[in-house]
Amino acid sequence: DQQVKQNSPSLSVQEGRISILNCDYTNSMFDYFLWYKKYPAEGPTFLISISSIKDKNEDGRFTVFLNKSAKHLSLHIVPSQPGDSAVYFCAASEGGSGSARQLTFGSGTQLTVLP
Amino acid sequence: NAGVTQTPKFRVLKTGQSMTLLCAQDMNHEYMYWYRQDPGMGLRLIHYSVGEGTTAKGEVPDGYNVSRLKKQNFLLGLESAAPSQTSVYFCASSFSNYGYTFGSGTRLTVV
Repeated sequence: DQQVKQNSPSLSVQEGRISILNCDYTNSMFDYFLWYKKYPAEGPTFLISISSIKDKNEDGRFTVFLNKSAKHLSLHIVPSQPGDSAVYFCAASEGGSGSARQLTFGSGTQLTVLP
Repeated sequence: NAGVTQTPKFRVLKTGQSMTLLCAQDMNHEYMYWYRQDPGMGLRLIHYSVGEGTTAKGEVPDGYNVSRLKKQNFLLGLESAAPSQTSVYFCASSFSNYGYTFGSGTRLTVV
């Protein structure tokens, strides 16, 4: 049973418009959430994160929203650019100071930004 | 500034053969991880290490062994490869428990 779900395998957006990528989770013990971006033939790279004590975190064109009651988070990209075309993975982890935080990943969403 | 380096990048194995995937990081990170990526499954944790000489099982450890004899290296071994182990393997390392740095992956095909 997947604890982190990305129900949309793909998303196409026009350049300059907003891209919204969604992620749902089932484990209420998750307290830290991250988004990773992956280009073909490369490893995932960290994009943005949010702690469970917040409901929004912004970094330039990227904003992550967390709705704990709905166990849902989303990544907004505004404005979308062709270089944003990649696979986006949602990931979550639960606490444990002094030990390795294992990330649980969703299955990814392929974003295509059309020029 | 290499970051996390994985070797080899590609490999084709016959069923029953063995091999070792090497992960090396130059960031002095304590924590290292091996994930596999399969279509529609995202990345799943195979094994991880919280420091030199330590290893632990992740979500899908069966058929794999690991070793962390040196802090900078994390080896993933397949003793008897099976077609189900055809996948893309990613190594990652982290310092603060939060931010992972990934390698570029090893594409393994078992025929």
